[in-house]
Amino acid sequence: NAGVTQTPKFQVLKTGQSMTLQCAQDMNHNSMYWYRQDPGMGLRLIYYSASEGTTDKGEVPNGYNVSRLNKREFSLRLESAAPSQTSVYFCASSDRVLSYEQYFGPGTRLTVT
Amino acid sequence: DAKTTQPPSMDCAEGRAANLPCNHSTISGNEYVYWYRQIHSQGPQYIIHGLKNNETNEMASLIITEDRKSSTLILPHATLRDTAVYYCIVSQPPGSGNKLVFGAGTILRVKS
Repeated sequence: NAGVTQTPKFQVLKTGQSMTLQCAQDMNHNSMYWYRQDPGMGLRLIYYSASEGTTDKGEVPNGYNVSRLNKREFSLRLESAAPSQTSVYFCASSDRVLSYEQYFGPGTRLTVT
Repeated sequence: DAKTTQPPSMDCAEGRAANLPCNHSTISGNEYVYWYRQIHSQGPQYIIHGLKNNETNEMASLIITEDRKSSTLILPHATLRDTAVYYCIVSQPPGSGNKLVFGAGTILRVKS
């Protein structure tokens, strides 16, 4: 099992450009999450999907949109990137019913110039 | 979700026990204590969780005080590979969507 995979690993955008970060999990988990981590800080929740077909805002949702494409995939879209969105983005998943553990992907390092 | 307070950094000698404290004085009755760690910018890794009883797994032990206002994560024989940022998190059980709120954590440096 690959666990949680994220693409791309690195990305540089110019201000105003758009892009979609992709996340997929092969553990048949119900819940998926997007976090961002700024230098020297803990992770902050952007959006989450408790189950397929539902999405909810987290702590810092402004400037982002998400799509739970199916049970495996959860994407994060930046419609008009801003320098303040320079960060490392982590996707995670968990089995809402059975597990207390969230499994994290390796992260996407995004720089907006 | 209740807020947690952790020391910003700690040092530990290799082979010794690392004891990482966490204060969560506003924890409510159904909230769990979770511990995660993050090694050098990798994705966080789950370590252990508990409600009110002490817990032990292959990685660590979790000691929760009787009043549940604080806890200690114990790595019994720390190695250099345990150098990481350790996050203490208080959150709802999984049925509520299991949202985690990460603070700044404790940087643990294991030294030879």
